Amino acid sequence: QSGLTQAPSASGTPGQKVTISCSGSSSNIGSSYVYWYQQLPGTAPQLIIYKNNQRPSGVPDRFSGSKSGTSASLAISGLRSEDEGDYHCATWDDSLNGLVFGGGTKVTVL
Amino acid sequence: QVQLVQSGAEVKKPGASVKVSCKTSGYSFTTYYIHWVRQAPGQGLEWMGFVNPSGGGTHYAQNFQDRVTMTRDTSTSTVYMELSSLRSEDTAVYYCSRHHAGYDIYFDYWGQGTPVTVSS
Repeated sequence: QSGLTQAPSASGTPGQKVTISCSGSSSNIGSSYVYWYQQLPGTAPQLIIYKNNQRPSGVPDRFSGSKSGTSASLAISGLRSEDEGDYHCATWDDSLNGLVFGGGTKVTVL
Repeated sequence: QVQLVQSGAEVKKPGASVKVSCKTSGYSFTTYYIHWVRQAPGQGLEWMGFVNPSGGGTHYAQNFQDRVTMTRDTSTSTVYMELSSLRSEDTAVYYCSRHHAGYDIYFDYWGQGTPVTVSS
């Protein structure tokens, strides 16, 4: 089952801005909302962005999402050590008639 | 408070089946679909499908259609995921999660995960 494409890793120093991309196609990102999940080491994923750019209550405004065509991005500004973890994008795929995830991007704070 | 509590770790031999439970509480059981997502060691997330606790209807990912069965018990607000014909590649942490019926599919609460190891 084909998924979405994410770079395996990204890094930055404290206070910097890190941007993670998620690439798809017309049958998934191009026609559906994108969602982002943060997974801290040893824990279950947690929703941090829904409907492309909305933050659930309790998620800091340092996290922001955007979408353009068949790609989406997650930006983390003012990077902090507690942001270290894996970030996964997800969306519905009309061709597969199922939910697809990206491979995840591991964010390291240097 | 909303909770999804999963059953404990499992070790199975190739060819066997595993059944994982997800007991929910703190919300109306029939209002949220329960999905199953797995994560192999060092890998990304993989969606397996969902069950509608209201009527028991299911929808499975193409990769699992022949091997997975998702059921629910409304008397205990518990959902079950059974995967058959296990192979080593099924070694993973299995998560249950919920999404609000009638809304876009995204997961606001997750279970703690159930490690399943398939080894001879």
